[in-house]
Amino acid sequence: KQEVTQIPAALSVPEGENLVLNCSFTDSAIYNLQWFRQDPGKGLTSLLLIQSSQREQTSGRLNASLDKSSGRSTLYIAASQPGDSATYLCAVSGGGADGLTFGKGTHLIIQP
Amino acid sequence: GAGVSQSPSNKVTEKGKDVELRCDPISGHTALYWYRQSLGQGLEFLIYFQGNSAPDKSGLPSDRFSAERTGGSVSTLTIQRTQQEDSAVYLCASSLDQGWIDTQYFGPGTRLTVL
Repeated sequence: KQEVTQIPAALSVPEGENLVLNCSFTDSAIYNLQWFRQDPGKGLTSLLLIQSSQREQTSGRLNASLDKSSGRSTLYIAASQPGDSATYLCAVSGGGADGLTFGKGTHLIIQP
Repeated sequence: GAGVSQSPSNKVTEKGKDVELRCDPISGHTALYWYRQSLGQGLEFLIYFQGNSAPDKSGLPSDRFSAERTGGSVSTLTIQRTQQEDSAVYLCASSLDQGWIDTQYFGPGTRLTVL
């Protein structure tokens, strides 16, 4: 059974810093990996999707990498801003009718 | 364009009552997913529809849970004889085609509280 772990569980940094969120998964047989953000009381917003054949994806100040063989992904946030404060979730898809398997998230606070 | 919508946004019910949760996917999306997010438990996959068909219902927590989708669009998740452990946020997502290829877009969720 696929398991997804996110480290750290919580992170608080001053505005302007670059930071890295980590995600690991136990079964490397995945179709893709997605990073989401969740704001309090809200649904999930998709940030980046990396297909299993890709190594990284970039969107604005966000860069996500995927090392499928080692079961790891990182989300890099450059020049962090208070508006980046949210919970960041990593999820992998194993295909079929299994849906996404989520990590428990990293709760990020950017201090003004 | 309109995103995934869910109703109601909040539902408070008494233990033993039945509840019905509704999901309207993005127009044209053929794949639809239900997830549950419990406090401290993370997101748990429940069921997937491709069109009106759900090939695997084993993710549903118990036989009190059922889901259907009609016309390849709206889906309802029904919980019979609700229990307090059913309290959670129920999230629906849709994707253009196969969820494991395409991005899944999530609705705002229905917060269910069972008293």
